[in-house]
Amino acid sequence: GAVVSQHPSRVICKSGTSVKIECRSLDFQATTMFWYRQFPKQSLMLMATSNEGSKATYEQGVEKDKFLINHASLTLSTLTVTSAHPEDSSFYICSARDHYNEQFFGPGTRLTVL
Amino acid sequence: GQNIDQPTEMTATEGAIVQINCTYQTSGFNGLFWYQQHAGEAPTFLSYNVLDGLEEKGRFSSFLSRSKGYSYLLLKELQMKDSASYLCAVRPTDSGGYQKVTFGTGTKLQVIP
Repeated sequence: GAVVSQHPSRVICKSGTSVKIECRSLDFQATTMFWYRQFPKQSLMLMATSNEGSKATYEQGVEKDKFLINHASLTLSTLTVTSAHPEDSSFYICSARDHYNEQFFGPGTRLTVL
Repeated sequence: GQNIDQPTEMTATEGAIVQINCTYQTSGFNGLFWYQQHAGEAPTFLSYNVLDGLEEKGRFSSFLSRSKGYSYLLLKELQMKDSASYLCAVRPTDSGGYQKVTFGTGTKLQVIP
């Protein structure tokens, strides 16, 4: 199956700093990528839909100025958590949709904000 | 809005069969997915149902009844490595063309010897 990578896999940062997470589709082009957040013992919550060449669509309650999404190419989307705070500590997972409408998930990025 | 219900936890014995149910109420329906998620890892795709009936794939089968808003995932010949969370996810029709998927809270399955 198709492969989606995320980098970094784990990051620890200080409160107030910004963190960038990359999501790449390695062997297919993804016009649409999705960013999810998962808190411990909870399900995946969709944060935003990232479309190549256009602005991301954010879910209700997700601050677009805090979670900056850039889908610069058909294989790369980035999520930047700006001015991170401890409550932003979570597991961030991206997924990419291929031409057959199948959704493939990245391995996730565990963010810890001190 | 979207509402997806699954049992929170289940326990089953190695070698046995377990059925994980999922009921949903969504604004439209355009497919139901089952994913497996091991702790600390991303979900992996198990099955996709868009028409009523049973889809079988090895030890895993998934059933859908659209009229009842109901699906189940059936795991046969359980193995210890099947201990994981199983997520039911629904794709509603009003997803703005972006094929968004809404996830249930997941069922944590523990397989015991």
